[in-house]
Amino acid sequence: DAKTTQPNSMESNEEEPVHLPCNHSTISGTDYIHWYRQLPSQGPEYVIHGLTSNVNNRMASLAIAEDRKSSTLILHRATLRDAAVYYCILVLWSGGGADGLTFGKGTHLIIQP
Amino acid sequence: NAGVTQTPKFRVLKTGQSMTLLCAQDMNHEYMYWYRQDPGMGLRLIHYSVGEGTTAKGEVPDGYNVSRLKKQNFLLGLESAAPSQTSVYFCASRRPPRTDTQYFGPGTRLTVL
Repeated sequence: DAKTTQPNSMESNEEEPVHLPCNHSTISGTDYIHWYRQLPSQGPEYVIHGLTSNVNNRMASLAIAEDRKSSTLILHRATLRDAAVYYCILVLWSGGGADGLTFGKGTHLIIQP
Repeated sequence: NAGVTQTPKFRVLKTGQSMTLLCAQDMNHEYMYWYRQDPGMGLRLIHYSVGEGTTAKGEVPDGYNVSRLKKQNFLLGLESAAPSQTSVYFCASRRPPRTDTQYFGPGTRLTVL
């Protein structure tokens, strides 16, 4: 399985943009890039996903490098509620398949007031 | 919609005791999952189910059994609890295809003394 590499932790100030990087140099052409986050004492929640093009939703933006070997999750204006562990996960698209998600250790995002 | 719910939220067991964790989802999802999360780590897949009456092993299945008698429920059993099973357990569900969002429950914190 293709692996992802993320920094262990990052720190940012409230109301500033945050860029969370993820390296996936062995990504295959049919791997989607998913981001989940886990708030303290909660289960993970979906943030965003993409294949080749940049994606935006109400929570965040996902910027994908042209060669797809890396991606960046962008929180445009971080709040204290965004403090969480962020996981970058590759999901192989193959039509069906019931595989679970493969979680790494993720990036622990600290937001300073 | 309640989404994914888990019962109980907390439990303390003595070594050798047994217990069952219940997961319920009201989204009519086909696939359901049990994960465990140890301190400072990402989630690891224990077992999963692709439908009523079917189950399959994940990454760390030893010491656990599961059953899915109804589509909306997925049970995780520990027949003889061990201290190594002290962890936070998360249930999740999703629809096909593989790239669809997984929805997670709030978790069950289990301590085995």
